[in-house]
Amino acid sequence: DTAVSQTPKYLVTQMGNDKSIKCEQNLGHDTMYWYKQDSKKFLKIMFSYNNKELIINETVPNRFSPKSPDKAHLNLHINSLELGDSAVYFCASTPSGRYEQYFGPGTRLTVT
Amino acid sequence: GQQLNQSPQSMFIQEGEDVSMNCTSSSIFNTWLWYKQDPGEGPVLLIALYKAGELTSNGRLTAQFGITRKDSFLNISASIPSDVGIYFCAGLGAGSYQLTFGKGTKLSVIP
Repeated sequence: DTAVSQTPKYLVTQMGNDKSIKCEQNLGHDTMYWYKQDSKKFLKIMFSYNNKELIINETVPNRFSPKSPDKAHLNLHINSLELGDSAVYFCASTPSGRYEQYFGPGTRLTVT
Repeated sequence: GQQLNQSPQSMFIQEGEDVSMNCTSSSIFNTWLWYKQDPGEGPVLLIALYKAGELTSNGRLTAQFGITRKDSFLNISASIPSDVGIYFCAGLGAGSYQLTFGKGTKLSVIP
């Protein structure tokens, strides 16, 4: 009965590599998000996406790109990984007409 | 952009004590949410507030939407060890469509 799931839970990779993190929600929500949580635990929104609109936080490098194969999935693809990309990445979703966001368990990305 | 000031940044309390934390903003918010994050997990929604002055409880937790619409408070009564974690406030500013998160309050409970 998992609500918002992410894979992998942990991801260790080298600088310059390209990687993807997958997110799936079985809640029937319309909007999905990606957040980055740094070492100080600050949650920073990266993207929000529904079937109509992608909203990008202007501070997010274009090496990051969300890809949504369908309404229940929003994957995060990262090109040319850098050391500063090391963080925990959270996926979240929101039902239509509401503002409460439901978070996945997170993916801890470590770039070496 | 909109910013939320959450305080205290961290707190250490004895088991059984009550806890209070708050979130303030310089601008008006229409929605306040409180989340708890356990180590290694994602934030979990505790309470959602939608109206100024609203007071909502969830077990030992009580949250209030400030009447000025610029602040919110979370109280935890009779703390227990499993209350340990980071508590985040989040708000939806007037005219905004995305949540703004506070920087969190790290709660430690001493048995």
